[in-house]
Amino acid sequence: DIQMTQSPSTLSASVGDRVTITCRASQSISSWLAWYQQKSGKAPKLLIYKASTLESGVPSRFSGSGSGTEFTLTISSLQPDDFATYYCQQYKNYPYTFGQGTKLEIK
Amino acid sequence: EVKLVESGGGLVQPGGSLRLSCAASGFTFSSYWMSWVRQAPGKGLEWVANIKQDGSEKYYVDSVKGRFTISRDNTKNSLYMQMNSLRAEDTAVYYCARDDAAPGFGDLGLDYWGQGTLVTVSS
Repeated sequence: DIQMTQSPSTLSASVGDRVTITCRASQSISSWLAWYQQKSGKAPKLLIYKASTLESGVPSRFSGSGSGTEFTLTISSLQPDDFATYYCQQYKNYPYTFGQGTKLEIK
Repeated sequence: EVKLVESGGGLVQPGGSLRLSCAASGFTFSSYWMSWVRQAPGKGLEWVANIKQDGSEKYYVDSVKGRFTISRDNTKNSLYMQMNSLRAEDTAVYYCARDDAAPGFGDLGLDYWGQGTLVTVSS
């Protein structure tokens, strides 16, 4: 199985900050990577697919980059609504696998 | 509007069975792969299984193979998961998701999710 490792596990930041979350795959997954946002008690929401394509309706302050084994999710200017947990997911091979999550907290 | 509504969760004893359902609306259900994803309390996301549009292909995570069976009824716009021989470690919120990520078939990820149904396996 392809292992996905996110860093950091927890990130404290302030409104207006630029933040970056990293996701590493245990083998190359080309660009078959998605990012999801999950708020407490809610279902995950797709933010980015194919590593860098923004899902319709997602604010442009979110961006994704990378290919192969290293990927990043960047939020250019944090808004209050962005404090949540973020997951990466590979869909190169079965089983789909997720990173362990990055909890973005208010500093 | 795409809508996915799960049902069927509850408390079950170890070794017991449960059948989850997911009612889909707002899109052409028969045109999409569908997945189940679970989340144990306080933990991360774990993909469980998916099924092709016509039910001809199914894939599972190893930990549920032989115990869980995914199925669908396109005439009822519904997705199912039959869960047998349940274990404590199967305790989780189970989400159904529209799957546009199947290798070789899609590239948009799991683009719509239901609100989830809680399965608790405990004596």
